Amino acid sequence: GAVVSQHPSRVICKSGTSVKIECRSLDFQATTMFWYRQFPKQSLMLMATSNEGSKATYEQGVEKDKFLINHASLTLSTLTVTSAHPEDSSFYICSAATSGGPKGSETQYFGPGTRLLVL
Amino acid sequence: AQKVTQAQTEISVVEKEDVTLDCVYETRDTTYYLFWYKQPPSGELVFLIRRNSFDEQNEISGRYSWNFQKSTSSFNFTITASQVVDSAVYFCALRKLTGGGNKLTFGTGTQLKVEL
Repeated sequence: GAVVSQHPSRVICKSGTSVKIECRSLDFQATTMFWYRQFPKQSLMLMATSNEGSKATYEQGVEKDKFLINHASLTLSTLTVTSAHPEDSSFYICSAATSGGPKGSETQYFGPGTRLLVL
Repeated sequence: AQKVTQAQTEISVVEKEDVTLDCVYETRDTTYYLFWYKQPPSGELVFLIRRNSFDEQNEISGRYSWNFQKSTSSFNFTITASQVVDSAVYFCALRKLTGGGNKLTFGTGTQLKVEL
């Protein structure tokens, strides 16, 4: 159980184009999903927290107009990198928090990540 | 503010050796969760364990064991009889028990290389 998928796993795009990444919880409903960015040999940097049916909460320094997040259902969140530039090239990882247990008991399960390369 | 320190950037061992990955955390909260995740070369983070701050019992799962010491704010992870498949980056993480939006504070990770 607790499987999270991400699509695509790898994408190469031209500078100026937009890229959409999907994150799905396959066997559970996730009230909250998270989007992270990871640079090579570094830790995960939280970009935003996404709650179903409401606007995402972005971390300081993350441009919300650049990284559009939509949490359309309890099993799907999308991250759109708009007008991508080479500096947006990175490994993007989503996670989904399980719900249903005692408040505060949620565990984040991570997707396999998406490698974005902007040329 | 919360902080997680994994002082070991990289560890190399020979297969079948035991290895301990250190994790020290800082928090003002009296209740919290601690986690370990494994990130193999493929990139996906694999959940290994969640420990509630109420529970200081050590845990063993197969070749994995965890030593939670609240007095020293440490949550160390030991792999017994390491195998090549254990090669990965291991992240320790901390989270408030309630509030905080379920956000995880990650350490910088420890790269474990297990060689034949």
